[in-house]
Amino acid sequence: SQELEQSPQSLIVQEGKNLTINCTSSKTLYGLYWYKQKYGEGLIFLMMLQKGGEEKSHEKITAKLDEKKQQSSLHITASQPSHAGIYLCGATQTGANNLFFGTGTRLTVIP
Amino acid sequence: DGGITQSPKYLFRKEGQNVTLSCEQNLNHDAMYWYRQDPGQGLRLIYYSQIVNDFQKGDIAEGYSVSREKKESFPLTVTSAQKNPTAFYLCASSAWARYNQPQHFGDGTRLSIL
Repeated sequence: SQELEQSPQSLIVQEGKNLTINCTSSKTLYGLYWYKQKYGEGLIFLMMLQKGGEEKSHEKITAKLDEKKQQSSLHITASQPSHAGIYLCGATQTGANNLFFGTGTRLTVIP
Repeated sequence: DGGITQSPKYLFRKEGQNVTLSCEQNLNHDAMYWYRQDPGQGLRLIYYSQIVNDFQKGDIAEGYSVSREKKESFPLTVTSAQKNPTAFYLCASSAWARYNQPQHFGDGTRLSIL
């Protein structure tokens, strides 16, 4: 079966601190996507990674995909309350666009 | 502005009743998707459609039905056969191309049982 494991399940950090969320698969991934969700709302697309070793950044968020394309990390620098929400990784294993998702990481940022 | 519109935001279903969730997009995307999200779980794929008049079952299609008569619209019907319909339903769309294309999501519909 296709599974993505995210860790940690929840995270509480003080504003200004750095943090990392991980997403791991037992199988090689074709594409890896990071989304952010606020409670009761839809998902907001953050970044897509396709190549082994690829790294992308947007504002204070950096996502990396390892060389084997089985693990990705999302790193937030100097966290702010606006970063709070649920972060979900999604992935494809073939060229098709059908995604399967991890269970999410709930991030709380304390002012 | 281009985007995906889901309606209604909240929906209540009585026992034995079918209900239909609406999803409309004006992004000119070929592919559309329906997901179900339960507390503490990730999204699970119900149905998807790559082109008009064609759709495929996802991982949890039982008790659901869809249609794709127009490129812009992909309504989901939750039938009375779905015994545990209470969940948050998300619609998404993407360009359909040979390589990965990100999916863009609507704001969701929360369905509850009366």
